[in-house]
Amino acid sequence: NAGVTQTPKFRVLKTGQSMTLLCAQDMNHEYMYWYRQDPGMGLRLIHYSVGEGTTAKGEVPDGYNVSRLKKQNFLLGLESAAPSQTSVYFCASSLPGGGADTQYFGPGTRLTVL
Amino acid sequence: AQSVTQPDIHITVSEGASLELRCNYSYGATPYLFWYVQSPGQGLQLLLKYFSGDTLVQGIKGFEAEFKRSQSSFNLRKPSVHWSDAAEYFCAVEGTYKYIFGTGTRLKVLA
Repeated sequence: NAGVTQTPKFRVLKTGQSMTLLCAQDMNHEYMYWYRQDPGMGLRLIHYSVGEGTTAKGEVPDGYNVSRLKKQNFLLGLESAAPSQTSVYFCASSLPGGGADTQYFGPGTRLTVL
Repeated sequence: AQSVTQPDIHITVSEGASLELRCNYSYGATPYLFWYVQSPGQGLQLLLKYFSGDTLVQGIKGFEAEFKRSQSSFNLRKPSVHWSDAAEYFCAVEGTYKYIFGTGTRLKVLA
């Protein structure tokens, strides 16, 4: 039981490049989330999904897209990376309680945009 | 709107000393509240959570937190800190489909 895994762990991009972060969970959770963590700002929700085939915007969705084609996977895409997207990205999953249920976090992806 | 405030950005304590990390929330009803810990380079791990009932909640690693409705607080405590407790601690309150996180408190432990 691996829990929540994220690929890759580290990435360096140049401004304007694109990339996709992959999150996978093996707990059969309905809800999945993408957060970004920046110093002094805690974790901010980018996008979330309440089930396969559904996605919704969080607090800071601009510049990101997501897809949930399979229940166990939640992809975060950056179409044209900007230095402001340099951050640590965390994926999480939970049962359908959403904010009322425990969220399980992946180990994070550290992204640097030059 | 829901919000969480962690007033202390950094806290330093000596090993063996007691610890209290503050968390204040804004929420219209009785909230679901959480404390998470993040060790350097790691993801977040749940320490404890409050849903209802007993206002003193026990968690893992010897932590506890007390929900005080009158003060809109959910402070995290530990009677004796260990060097391995050095980490960043996040308080969170439930939102619709998601959590609202505080900005975190970084704990340093002196030997």
